[in-house]
Amino acid sequence: EVQLLESGGGLVQPGGSLRLSCAASGFTFSSYAMSWVRQAPGKGLEWVSAISGSGGSTYYADSVKGRFTISRDNSKNTLYLQMNSLRAEDTAVYYCAKVPTYLLRYFDWLDYWGQGTLVTVSS
Amino acid sequence: DIQMTQSPSTLSASVGDRVTITCRASQSISSWLAWYQQKPGKAPKLLIYKASSLESGVPSRFSGSGSGTEFTLTISSLQPDDFATYYCQQPRTFGQGTKVEIK
Repeated sequence: EVQLLESGGGLVQPGGSLRLSCAASGFTFSSYAMSWVRQAPGKGLEWVSAISGSGGSTYYADSVKGRFTISRDNSKNTLYLQMNSLRAEDTAVYYCAKVPTYLLRYFDWLDYWGQGTLVTVSS
Repeated sequence: DIQMTQSPSTLSASVGDRVTITCRASQSISSWLAWYQQKPGKAPKLLIYKASSLESGVPSRFSGSGSGTEFTLTISSLQPDDFATYYCQQPRTFGQGTKVEIK
């Protein structure tokens, strides 16, 4: 059974940093691209970042480019999102999600999702 | 950037109703569209990918159609478990969501 378990969320001040982790199990982690998607309270979904199975290819939404870094450790079956220079508008539940292919393509969909971790940016 | 318009934003329906949700893209995206269901406090769940392919384990009352700029998600006979919010997704962008409420 595919399981994705996010951790690392919490309360952080504007301008601060946070690193999210997503522990994966139930599938061959290194064989699949992965993504982070966020949802602000009461709002819709926003695709934040994605990474190929090898980690060699990445994607960032314009809203986080230059501030967030996605990475993965295939030996630990873990996905990361390093978030720097956090802003109030980054407040959201952050979901880790699996892409059903190894490479990032023009169109990817997300076949498994974790339960999310809440990040609150506030002074 | 391709703009995606999802409608309606809210839909009131009864158990057994046929329900249709529409997503329109500002330019052709071929069949590059997925649909998700999200219940309050839960993660989204994939229903349909590549516009019309039903994800494994999803009930057959869900179906997707369309190509180019107009796409639809249809629930043939609404069940109590289907009251939720539905999102379409084009390449790395989600629609605004449609909340399906009990009438």
